Amino acid sequence: GAGVSQSPRYKVTKRGQDVALRCDPISGHVSLYWYRQALGQGPEFLTYFNYEAQQDKSGLPNDRFSAERPEGSISTLTIQRTEQRDSAMYRCASSASSLSEQYFGPGTRLTVT
Amino acid sequence: AQRVTQPEKLLSVFKGAPVELKCNYSYSGSPELFWYVQYSRQRLQLLLRHISRESIKGFTADLNKGETSFHLKKPFAQEEDSAMYYCAARGGGSYIPTFGRGTSLIVHP
Repeated sequence: GAGVSQSPRYKVTKRGQDVALRCDPISGHVSLYWYRQALGQGPEFLTYFNYEAQQDKSGLPNDRFSAERPEGSISTLTIQRTEQRDSAMYRCASSASSLSEQYFGPGTRLTVT
Repeated sequence: AQRVTQPEKLLSVFKGAPVELKCNYSYSGSPELFWYVQYSRQRLQLLLRHISRESIKGFTADLNKGETSFHLKKPFAQEEDSAMYYCAARGGGSYIPTFGRGTSLIVHP
């Protein structure tokens, strides 16, 4: 079956613009995670959902970042008023349950100019 | 603080040589440990987890609680093992893994 998909794969935006990153998890997966990965670093947790409920958003760096998963499937990570320091790879993962193996998407490379 | 440390950014070996990618963790309780791999132009994927105690693609990893280490080993490296390897830990009542910064393994022919 299809794996986790993310769109767009690449996004270049100007400082101050809002961006929306999309994650389409594996069908039936309950848990969905967002990570950010800076160059030379490992993935860093941002937030995660079980079904449509946002269980933990402690990793969101500030209030410009938000995420939703309104129907318990597709999720959107939104960054408002982007800054250059937001440039990174944004990874989404899903799992059948909170304790199950996480399957990662291809990532969205965000560049803020 | 919960932390996963991979001291080597880059590890370069020749085909057929033994490989050991180091991982140390600082975690309360008994964390669950993982190794993830990302091959060129592919997505991040789970390689192995310590509770499975299995060998995947010839790789093994032993949890050493005394040294708080979970080093990844392979006796004879192959060119197709060239990739980024990330160690991760999860525990302390959290479902969220903490990742190390990764080690780039290059296996020369």
